Amino acid sequence: QSVLTQPPSVSAAPGQKVTISCSGSSSNIGNNDVSWYQQFPGTAPKLLIYDSNKRPSGIPDRFSGSKSGTSATLAITGLQTGDEADYYCGTWDSSLNGGGVFGTGTKVTVL
Amino acid sequence: QVQLQESGPGLVKPSETLSLTCSVSGFSIRIGYYWGWIRQPPGGGLEWIGSMFRSGSTHYNPSLKSRVSISLDTSKNQFSLQLKSVTAADTAVYYCARVVMSAAASEVSYYFDNGGQGTLVTVSS
Repeated sequence: QSVLTQPPSVSAAPGQKVTISCSGSSSNIGNNDVSWYQQFPGTAPKLLIYDSNKRPSGIPDRFSGSKSGTSATLAITGLQTGDEADYYCGTWDSSLNGGGVFGTGTKVTVL
Repeated sequence: QVQLQESGPGLVKPSETLSLTCSVSGFSIRIGYYWGWIRQPPGGGLEWIGSMFRSGSTHYNPSLKSRVSISLDTSKNQFSLQLKSVTAADTAVYYCARVVMSAAASEVSYYFDNGGQGTLVTVSS
């Protein structure tokens, strides 16, 4: 069972902006960095954001991440049809029985 | 450019051991980084399995800890996953990945920066 909660789905028209929330607790997001992954059907997840707000080389600046308290947010601006995919947040949980954790996942639909 | 490729049986019988290998090219697993595994059941979300550093330091998902082990073979530039006593609930696509883990002022950074394409493992008799 995921300890990070995301909305099941978000949608917007091409060119618009969507935001995806990732809610956790003080043992994970509250004290550790967050990463975000994009996954198309039948393919492996791809790193989009690391250290809460940094983009790997090759990731467009339309994708941005932020963190506040025990929640994190992924924003996609200038939405394109090619952005339609599943998105997952991830972090480290520092509790006694912690470790790597992922969010429940969010399906982005471009209307 | 680092590339990872999973290999192993696509079908495992219940109660047996699932064994997968990840072959790494373009990067030596002796040079820092953790190396880990993630899985995704059909139609489901991502689940962290665990990771291992070259020093032998390991982290495992508490829900799998009694059944899972990860090992590195630096001579072959590979690392492996073993999951014992499997059931149908272990049916999933398994991904291997290079893991970045660092800590500064107690804040941990942990993420998967490169991964394999995944391999489906079905547990069935």
